[in-house]
Amino acid sequence: GESVGLHLPTLSVQEGDNSIINCAYSNSASDYFIWYKQESGKGPQFIIDIRSNMDKRQGQRVTVLLNKTVKHLSLQIAATQPGDSAVYFCAENRDAGGTSYGKLTFGQGTILTVHP
Amino acid sequence: EAGVAQSPRYKIIEKRQSVAFWCNPISGHATLYWYQQILGQGPKLLIQFQNNGVVDDSQLPKDRFSAERLKGVDSTLKIQPAKLEDSAVYLCASSRAGGREEKLFFGSGTQLSVL
Repeated sequence: GESVGLHLPTLSVQEGDNSIINCAYSNSASDYFIWYKQESGKGPQFIIDIRSNMDKRQGQRVTVLLNKTVKHLSLQIAATQPGDSAVYFCAENRDAGGTSYGKLTFGQGTILTVHP
Repeated sequence: EAGVAQSPRYKIIEKRQSVAFWCNPISGHATLYWYQQILGQGPKLLIQFQNNGVVDDSQLPKDRFSAERLKGVDSTLKIQPAKLEDSAVYLCASSRAGGREEKLFFGSGTQLSVL
């Protein structure tokens, strides 16, 4: 079935380094993607999104890159801080049966650990 | 702005018992979602409400799960009878109108353990 998944389940970095978290998707019709951060004991929190008509979008310390040719997106975190330690999910929001409503499908997640 | 409220925070039950979870979305948000998150996995949508109507319940195990959103505000999710594989975190989320590019705001979830 169609799914959104991640290449690496865990990533450990040193404070100050840049982090790159990858995600592969299988639905070539997907046109909107979101990255979420989930800290222990909390619900997912929106980080950044990107539409399929874009290749790159930047936020505060975060950048999302989208490669539609290979159906791959990545989240880059600059100057990673201990507070960035969390599970990161990519999610695909696709049209739910022709309505205007979205249907969010999450990938498995990557655990990011930042060492001081 | 107050966030999405969920209760209880934790629940432990034995298999075949029933359990109910409660969610209060952000004020003014028309769309409410229930997600199930099994340990080590991403959240999976169970049901989506638009006001008090169901938009999508295709992944809700209707033989044991039920949900309602009376008056289009609070919502309850019930499991009866519970199975061991229902152990998970149940997340409630809301968005302003449910559009495809709207942000979802999640609660902290209810962690259910079925013994």
